[in-house]
Amino acid sequence: GQQLNQSPQSMFIQEGEDVSMNCTSSSIFNTWLWYKQDPGEGPVLLIALYKAGELTSNGRLTAQFGITRKDSFLNISASIPSDVGIYFCAGQLRGSGTYKYIFGTGTRLKVLA
Amino acid sequence: DADVTQTPRNRITKTGKRIMLECSQTKGHDRMYWYRQDPGLGLQLIYYSFDVKDINKGEISDGYSVSRQAQAKFSLSLESAIPNQTALYFCATSDSDRGETQYFGPGTRLLVL
Repeated sequence: GQQLNQSPQSMFIQEGEDVSMNCTSSSIFNTWLWYKQDPGEGPVLLIALYKAGELTSNGRLTAQFGITRKDSFLNISASIPSDVGIYFCAGQLRGSGTYKYIFGTGTRLKVLA
Repeated sequence: DADVTQTPRNRITKTGKRIMLECSQTKGHDRMYWYRQDPGLGLQLIYYSFDVKDINKGEISDGYSVSRQAQAKFSLSLESAIPNQTALYFCATSDSDRGETQYFGPGTRLLVL
């Protein structure tokens, strides 16, 4: 099935550093979302973006909906150990007779204290 | 108590066996979904249901079937399990008014020998 391309696939960072990850698609979406998955659990929504160009923050997290509607990025500022996990982007497309909810391949984040 | 529960949490079965994974939710949402997650990959949509009488195939429905027994219950069946169906399976729900956010269960880890 179709999946979104996320990069990087994994990253090791020092506590306190900022983190950037992005997600790209060959097709457009109406909504972009970012989820975090902790070990042994299901993904939990972090941020949802509804309009092209939209920039939204949730605490130390900031995400943007790309102008072309084919990409999105997520920034985490001043990382802390509990930020460790897998981050997934997801794109939703709803329209007449169409429904897609596609997840990215994930970015595995490890924070070194 | 968890809003979205899945049973069993772990299951080992043999090739050719029929198995059912169950999902229940207390969130009152009308939409429910089944995903599978493979190592290094994101989540892939198997089936989704927008209400009790609505069932739709997702990206990777071959080899699976579903039943929406009630608004709160959505089960996934593997009629004749095969080893490449070994994966982590997640159920999710969403509200039709804000369908973008999906709430995930804890997952069922399935091993097909």
